[in-house]
Amino acid sequence: RKEVEQDPGPFNVPEGATVAFNCTYSNSASQSFFWYRQDCRKEPKLLMSVYSSGNEDGRFTAQLNRASQYISLLIRDSKLSDSATYLCVVNTVAPRDDKIIFGKGTRLHILP
Amino acid sequence: NAGVTQTPKFRVLKTGQSMTLLCAQDMNHEYMYWYRQDPGMGLRLIHYSVGEGTTAKGEVPDGYNVSRLKKQNFLLGLESAAPSQTSVYFCASSYASEKAEKYNEQFFGPGTRLTVL
Repeated sequence: RKEVEQDPGPFNVPEGATVAFNCTYSNSASQSFFWYRQDCRKEPKLLMSVYSSGNEDGRFTAQLNRASQYISLLIRDSKLSDSATYLCVVNTVAPRDDKIIFGKGTRLHILP
Repeated sequence: NAGVTQTPKFRVLKTGQSMTLLCAQDMNHEYMYWYRQDPGMGLRLIHYSVGEGTTAKGEVPDGYNVSRLKKQNFLLGLESAAPSQTSVYFCASSYASEKAEKYNEQFFGPGTRLTVL
């Protein structure tokens, strides 16, 4: 199993729809998780941190499922401006073996 | 505040040449990181630093060296560039966490596009 895995997409979704994607991770000891957004030829920018209790920011909801080792991102009422690549990040702190692993990203296209 | 800046923005090298990429941050962050991003490979960590004077290897450190002589700067060096090092290089920084999770939100620079011929 890869350390961090995402469906590369693309997800082609009509404007106004709800879309969800997951990110699976292999190390059960991983401690912190994030979703980043990256626009074409730009740097990644933090979208949301992911907490065990789940968190919501406007149209975006992030969830962590430790038992099944995945995090999810839900986008409601999608906008054209949501078109981007979404990267998950999984961080693991271990003695002399810290790991910061980015997923390869999921491409999202919102269709007018 | 400028955030995280990277110089140069673009560079073309010939095989065997050397160069240094400079990353600077003005947010007083403890941690700094260098990544490379290649099509289909995602972002991969090259080296990182958890404080001035300290560095550590990431996932793909071979062929690169780094230095963190000042807290605000993190340098990435290529001693003898190879075509396999053609990539987009991103620098990032984050504040230190008192929690066990340690790694927090990273702020990225705009990237350096490097081509090695």
